[in-house]
Amino acid sequence: QMQLVQSGAEVKRPGSSVKVSCKTSGGIISDSAFSWVRQAPGQGLEWMGRIIPRSGTTKYAQSFQGRVTIIADKSTSTSYMELRRLRSEDTAVYYCARGLTSIAQPNDWYFDIWGRGTLVSVSS
Amino acid sequence: SYVLTQPPSVSVAPGKTATITCGGNNIGTKSVHWYQQKPGQAPVLVIFYNSDRTSGIPERFSGSNSGNTATLTISRVEAGDEADYYCLVWDSTTDHAVFGGGTQLTVL
Repeated sequence: QMQLVQSGAEVKRPGSSVKVSCKTSGGIISDSAFSWVRQAPGQGLEWMGRIIPRSGTTKYAQSFQGRVTIIADKSTSTSYMELRRLRSEDTAVYYCARGLTSIAQPNDWYFDIWGRGTLVSVSS
Repeated sequence: SYVLTQPPSVSVAPGKTATITCGGNNIGTKSVHWYQQKPGQAPVLVIFYNSDRTSGIPERFSGSNSGNTATLTISRVEAGDEADYYCLVWDSTTDHAVFGGGTQLTVL
């Protein structure tokens, strides 16, 4: 069973960048897609974007366009999410999640395995 | 962009049935997936493709989807079911994931 192991908590200053990692174990990263989802304190889930490691293709939510980059390193089975120009509203738990589709619905993704989350705190 | 609407909270007595809705324009034409999230934990997939139950999830959990409303039903509710529940669809128009705002289930 694949597991997603995320990097530890971060404290950042406004205007800086953060890079969170998500290492897969028990599976091949190229066989899956990975999304990043964040959750601000007391708030709901917000999808940020996803990467398909086999092709390297990415898709980002409109609200993060230009500020977020998601990459996948197949050699280390690790996905990374970098968020730039941080502001206090970016304080949240950031999750990576494996995306799945089916042959019948190849463009319809859902997330079956999640990392435990990484808390990113942005404060001056 | 596609919008999913969930009631902020639902309360139910133990042993009764909880119904959590997820509204969206013609959501019945999309696949809906449901997540349970307990405090301090990552979300857990409970229902996928509208009504398929994830391995290990009790049969008390079921899902349906028609028209403009998808529904997660929890029968014979237990104290351990208390959690936040989120619906998810993949918007094929934008190729983006969309989450509902979440519903806090309280077991009285």
